[in-house]
Amino acid sequence: QSALTQPASVSGSPGQSITISCTGTSSDVGGYNYVSWYQQHPGKAPKLMIYDVSNRPSGVSNRFSGSKSGNTASLTISGLQAEDEADYYCSSYTSSSTYVVFGGGTKLTVL
Amino acid sequence: QVQLVQSGAEVKKPGASVKVSCKASGYTFTGYYMHWVRQAPGQGLEWMGWINPNSGGTNYAQKFQGWVTMTRDTSISTAYMELSRLRSDDTAVYYCARDTVPMGFGANGFDPWGQGTLVTVSS
Repeated sequence: QSALTQPASVSGSPGQSITISCTGTSSDVGGYNYVSWYQQHPGKAPKLMIYDVSNRPSGVSNRFSGSKSGNTASLTISGLQAEDEADYYCSSYTSSSTYVVFGGGTKLTVL
Repeated sequence: QVQLVQSGAEVKKPGASVKVSCKASGYTFTGYYMHWVRQAPGQGLEWMGWINPNSGGTNYAQKFQGWVTMTRDTSISTAYMELSRLRSDDTAVYYCARDTVPMGFGANGFDPWGQGTLVTVSS
């Protein structure tokens, strides 16, 4: 059981927009602006897509955006492309002894 | 460019220890926390802890305290993660990952990541 809850899968057609949610508690997502998102293709290392809730690292497409409302953070991908098909993980600082927690991951399928 | 290169795959017996290295290049090694994250086969990501390469200070997830040791050698810009008393469920890919903010909070985000080191624990 992961500390942060993500949908197991989402799907969308090329050109569409999708949103992946990441639900935690006031001890993690809701209490701090240290939410990050990672994209992982099969057999590859994760890649940072969003940090500090909504900041995009240099080189990451502006089709990726992050936000937060209460205890739920969201990753939105607009203009879906085939190359976006991957697993996505959210992460947050937590005031518990775990310090950093991840979601269970969401498999994005581009139809 | 910023790059993290990890040591090769390891096969260990239960009860043994493993030490994984992570060589950094392309940036000031002492300027960013280094994290370690593992991923069991077909499973999600699990944060293990970080090391401050400047001071050598560490912060381990409670689950790993007394069990993991993170060190660094600043002369060769390399971080190490040693896990002891290995069990079969420690079989995983172990990643090092640099924090994205220089000496920030220590949980801002992880970028880049090493290529991963597969550690297999089997009798």
